[in-house]
Amino acid sequence: ELKVEQNPLFLSMQEGKNYTIYCNYSTTSDRLYWYRQDPGKSLESLFVLLSNGAVKQEGRLMASLDTKARLSTLHITAAVHDLSATYFCAVPPEYGNKLVFGAGTILRVKS
Amino acid sequence: DTEVTQTPKHLVMGMTNKKSLKCEQHMGHRAMYWYKQKAKKPPELMFVYSYEKLSINESVPSRFSPECPNSSLLNLHLHALQPEDSALYLCASSQGWRGLYTFGSGTRLTVV
Repeated sequence: ELKVEQNPLFLSMQEGKNYTIYCNYSTTSDRLYWYRQDPGKSLESLFVLLSNGAVKQEGRLMASLDTKARLSTLHITAAVHDLSATYFCAVPPEYGNKLVFGAGTILRVKS
Repeated sequence: DTEVTQTPKHLVMGMTNKKSLKCEQHMGHRAMYWYKQKAKKPPELMFVYSYEKLSINESVPSRFSPECPNSSLLNLHLHALQPEDSALYLCASSQGWRGLYTFGSGTRLTVV
């Protein structure tokens, strides 16, 4: 059974600092998605990582995927308050149509 | 059109009421999903429809009844709910079961 672990679960950052969120998964998958969720809102797609070594960047966020290590990272550069949200990684298994989510990382950026 | 539209956005219902949540997409996606999300938790899968047929029911109580009238529409019929069913209900669709899921804006349901 596919399991997805995210850490940390809560991250309090100072503005201007860098940090990384980690997402590990337990069985083979060649792709991974990152979503952002603001309080009371739906999930917004951030990154689609479709192959080993994939790296995507959008503004202050950069995501990467290592399928051999079954690890994805979401790196935050020079955090700003607008990045405060909950971030989920999600992994589709090789077989079956059940997307599995990590527990989510609550990010709070303090000025 | 790259959106999944859900109505209503908010719903308050009594435990004896019957109501329905609606979801619509015009992206040609043939897989559609219902998720339930409680505060500070990830979304939990409830139902999956593939080509308008129910393919996964995650042991959801029968007071939740899904329906897929056509390839663009997904409904969730609610009857005799409990206060613990209060949550954000999210609809999603994907092109194929391994494609990126696009989520609707959700329905915030409160059962009183």
